[in-house]
Amino acid sequence: NAGVTQTPKFRILKIGQSMTLQCTQDMNHNYMYWYRQDPGMGLKLIYYSVGAGITDKGEVPNGYNVSRSTTEDFPLRLELAAPSQTSVYFCASGGSSETQYFGPGTRLLVL
Amino acid sequence: EDQVTQSPEALRLQEGESSSLNCSYTVSGLRGLFWYRQDPGKGPEFLFTLYSAGEEKEKERLKATLTKKESFLHITAPKPEDSATYLCAVQAVGSSNTGKLIFGQGTTLQVKP
Repeated sequence: NAGVTQTPKFRILKIGQSMTLQCTQDMNHNYMYWYRQDPGMGLKLIYYSVGAGITDKGEVPNGYNVSRSTTEDFPLRLELAAPSQTSVYFCASGGSSETQYFGPGTRLLVL
Repeated sequence: EDQVTQSPEALRLQEGESSSLNCSYTVSGLRGLFWYRQDPGKGPEFLFTLYSAGEEKEKERLKATLTKKESFLHITAPKPEDSATYLCAVQAVGSSNTGKLIFGQGTTLQVKP
C-alpha cells in the first residue's frame, strides 16, 4: 500500500493563478481531509469529506474548493492564488478507527 | 470553544536526558487524544491514541499518558533520532461522525549527542 500520496511536492504560483493539489489514498478510507500548516501555527483544517460526493468546510475554507467523486481521490482547488495561501498543504485519510494518516505534503509558494 | 495547547514550543535535550512534553486541552467531551511525530519536510506520523483518563501507551522511548485536562509525552533517555516536532490533537465526541481533529501548535524537540 502506498498510503496517502500527494502531487506536486512543490509549486510556485503567481498571484491570481489557479492550481489543483492532488490527493489519493489506497486504504479505502471514507474520511479525507485537507490541512494547511504555517510555521508555529499547527495544522488548520481547510475542507473534509466523509464519503464520495460529500464535502464540508473546515476552519479556514476561504479561497479553496474541493470535490470527492471517488473514495480514493480528494483534490483541492485554489482559485486566484494569493500570498496568504503560501503554506504547506497536507492531505489525510481516516477509517473507522479515527486515526488519520497523512501524505507527504505539498509546499506552495505564491509570489 | 475546543482548544489544544502544547508546551513548551521548543525543547533542547542532551542525549540521555529524560523530559516530558505537555498537551493541555479543552473539549466538549473527549473521544480521543492523538500524538503524532513530524520530521522536517514530511507529513505527520501517527504515534498513539488515548481514550480515557489514566490510560498509558508506550513505544520504545516514548510513553503517553492522559488525564481529564492534559496529556504528557514522556521521553526516556532520548537519542538524536528522536529529534522531531511532536503534535497533539483531540477529537471531540461531537465530531465522531466526521473524524475531525483539533491540533495543537506542536513542540519541536532537539536531542544533541
